Amino acid sequence: EPEVTQTPSHQVTQMGQEVILRCVPISNHLYFYWYRQILGQKVEFLVSFYNNEISEKSEIFDDQFSVERPDGSNFTLKIRSTKLEDSAMYFCASSEGRQFFGPGTRLTVL
Amino acid sequence: QKEVEQDPGPLSVPEGAIVSLNCTYSNSAFQYFMWYRQYSRKGPELLMYTYSSGNKEDGRFTAQVDKSSKYISLFIRDSQPSDSATYLCAMIPTGANSKLTFGKGITLSVRP
Repeated sequence: EPEVTQTPSHQVTQMGQEVILRCVPISNHLYFYWYRQILGQKVEFLVSFYNNEISEKSEIFDDQFSVERPDGSNFTLKIRSTKLEDSAMYFCASSEGRQFFGPGTRLTVL
Repeated sequence: QKEVEQDPGPLSVPEGAIVSLNCTYSNSAFQYFMWYRQYSRKGPELLMYTYSSGNKEDGRFTAQVDKSSKYISLFIRDSQPSDSATYLCAMIPTGANSKLTFGKGITLSVRP
């Protein structure tokens, strides 16, 4: 069964460093998303992406964040200068009308 | 008022019990309603997907939507220890590919 994959599973970084989180969506899906979940809190929407451009973004998704689909399979989330409060699980999802989630990347900012 | 509210839990039941999980919402624009299951430190897994009001059954799981009351439920029959997880309700307004708005989730423990 096709699934969304994400790498790495765990990323540890120093405050102020740039990180890139990677996702491979399900191959025939056209809509892609990033969500995050801070420990003990609800899953929050960050950004959606369709037809090679951002279709919607939340207030969390500020200038420190960017997304890219660099080739036909990968979908990335870049955080330019990480802050302590960026520590969270980051989930990629893809959709053909129903959103399917990847296993997540746990980002720890020290 | 929060957009989506979910009973906080946690909830512990004996094996074989019927479980009822509930969410309320305030945004009348929500049209698509989902239940996801999430195991510890894993991604949400889609369990049930419902459009507008009504019931939907899949095996031991039944999803119910009452748009007039802005209330959705997930029923689990004959609960099993493997059902122990966090259950998240999620909703989308018109446009099935729009962003999901999640409830906070309720942790269910099914005791053998």
